[in-house]
Amino acid sequence: IAGITQAPTSQILAAGRRMTLRCTQDMRHNAMYWYRQDLGLGLRLIHYSNTAGTTGKGEVPDGYSVSRANTDDFPLTLASAVPSQTSVYFCASSESERGKDTQYFGPGTRLTVL
Amino acid sequence: SQQGEEDPQALSIQEGENATMNCSYKTSINNLQWYRQNSGRGLVHLILIRSNEREKHSGRLRVTLDTSKKSSSLLITASRAADTASYFCATEDAGNTGKLIFGQGTTLQVKP
Repeated sequence: IAGITQAPTSQILAAGRRMTLRCTQDMRHNAMYWYRQDLGLGLRLIHYSNTAGTTGKGEVPDGYSVSRANTDDFPLTLASAVPSQTSVYFCASSESERGKDTQYFGPGTRLTVL
Repeated sequence: SQQGEEDPQALSIQEGENATMNCSYKTSINNLQWYRQNSGRGLVHLILIRSNEREKHSGRLRVTLDTSKKSSSLLITASRAADTASYFCATEDAGNTGKLIFGQGTTLQVKP
């Protein structure tokens, strides 16, 4: 059982380039999330999806887009990367979108934008 | 906006000692969760305490919740070097997305 996988593990990207971070879960969870983690700022929610076919904006959505074509996959796209998007990105999932549910996290993607 | 804020930001103790971390939050909650993050890894859920509970145990972990003070504490008893990690509390964003909001975390170092 893999749980949640993310790819790539790390990436160095030139500013202005487009980048898609991949996230796949095999737990058939309805809800999925993307967070960024920055030193001193903790984890901040970028986008979320309560169920396949729906998405919503979190605390820091600007510069990012997501799609949820099926239950398992929840890619995060940076259309035109900027240095302030240098961060560690975590994908997570939970059985439902309710706050009482445990979230399961992937191993993270370390992204550096130069 | 930060819902949960942990205190202290960093804690260093000797193996065998107890470690206590605190979390304060701003608005009413239905439940509060604690997560652990080892260096370079994703977060792992530790324990959930509901708003009508005052204390909960799981192995060497003890969590308390005081809704009148809007605070929670995580106690790790008889700490081990393997407990070295960052610990985060998370509460539900009642006002906006309904999603979890994580604090900035407490970094715990347990020296062997």
